[in-house]
Amino acid sequence: QVQLQQSGAELVKPGTSVKLSCKASGYTFTSNHMNWIKQTTGQGLEWIGIINPGSGGTSYNVKFKGKATLTVDKSSSTAFMQLSSLTPEDSAVYYCARRGLISGYPDYWGQGVMVTVSS
Amino acid sequence: DIQMTQSPASLSASLEEIVTITCQASQDIGNWLAWYQQKPGKSPQLLIHSATSLADGIPSRFSGSRSGTQYSLKISRLQVEDTGIYYCLQRYSNPYTFGAGTKLELK
Repeated sequence: QVQLQQSGAELVKPGTSVKLSCKASGYTFTSNHMNWIKQTTGQGLEWIGIINPGSGGTSYNVKFKGKATLTVDKSSSTAFMQLSSLTPEDSAVYYCARRGLISGYPDYWGQGVMVTVSS
Repeated sequence: DIQMTQSPASLSASLEEIVTITCQASQDIGNWLAWYQQKPGKSPQLLIHSATSLADGIPSRFSGSRSGTQYSLKISRLQVEDTGIYYCLQRYSNPYTFGAGTKLELK
């Protein structure tokens, strides 16, 4: 069965960076693009961007350019998102979500990882 | 960015009742719309894609429709397990954007 296992919760200081991981299993990792999505109580759900694990090609929401960097490691079937220059506004739950081959929409989601930015 | 205006923000309904949630797109997005359900502490689950197509494993009491730039999610006979927050998502253009959500509770 398809599973996306995300790394654990992070408590980080303002101005630093954090790298989140999303390990995929149960399907061919390079066959499906991977989305990243941010969820906060105030802003709701925001789409950050998407990466093609096969080519490494990316597309970002302009709001998150310079903030988020999406990469993959094909050898371990893992997608990564690095968030830089963190501020309290980056505190959120972050999800990875596979793009369905037939639907084209995020179909399987990771469990989410809570990032808290605080001094 | 395309704005997705979702209504109502919250909704209380009885078992077996028909429930309808809508999303209004700020411009034409064709059928590039999906609906999700999210339960507390869980990840969103895909219900409907391409405006009207039922996702795998989703009960047939869920259905989606479109009229111009207005999209609707209908639950034909509300069940206990249908409580949660519902979101629409457009992927017509970058950035993909979500509606603000509709919280559905049992009366």
